[in-house]
Amino acid sequence: AQTVTQSQPEMSVQEAETVTLSCTYDTSENNYYLFWYKQPPSRQMILVIRQEAYKQQNATENRFSVNFQKAAKSFSLKISDSQLGDTAMYFCASMEYNNNDMRFGAGTRLTVKP
Amino acid sequence: DAGVIQSPRHEVTEMGQEVTLRCKPISGHDYLFWYRQTMMRGLELLIYFNNNVPIDDSGMPEDRFSAKMPNASFSTLKIQPSEPRDSAVYFCASASRGLAGDWYQETQYFGPGTRLLVL
Repeated sequence: AQTVTQSQPEMSVQEAETVTLSCTYDTSENNYYLFWYKQPPSRQMILVIRQEAYKQQNATENRFSVNFQKAAKSFSLKISDSQLGDTAMYFCASMEYNNNDMRFGAGTRLTVKP
Repeated sequence: DAGVIQSPRHEVTEMGQEVTLRCKPISGHDYLFWYRQTMMRGLELLIYFNNNVPIDDSGMPEDRFSAKMPNASFSTLKIQPSEPRDSAVYFCASASRGLAGDWYQETQYFGPGTRLLVL
């Protein structure tokens, strides 16, 4: 069965600095997707970034990038130039391609300090 | 702890039928969330409860959807009548208020989801 682990329940970073959120996962499948979702106080989930496992190149979206280490089953999120609006819960998730089975980590609460 | 339990894991029904999804949160958790996930729209929060009381149902798509939490260990999401566009994976998650503050919850634990297909 799939599992996703986020070992950092909470983190903080100074505005304009860089922070990395950790995520490890386990799956027996070769084809899968990995996601980072952001949940701000409004509680609506926002897709931050997505990575297809078959792609070796790390996904990037503006200030957000991932470090995808397939052999180590690691999928960390790096936020550069942190902004106050980045304060939120961040969830890591994996989805097996063949059966669309999706699993979530427990989340990391990120606080960006002015 | 068994984690968040959802049933059924898969549901196939015909348009117009009533569908009831069930969730058992982790014991001791006082928040419960219902999400819907589709490839087109990603993960959407439908409704959440605190201490069995619905706090925000602004994500519920329309009157065909209703959710209840009669006690701390059980919640249902009902769709009546169901339509093909309701086909999605529905996740339930639970959380416990932590010490960090009162403006949002601590870590959420997601159930495995219910895969709904409406024909």
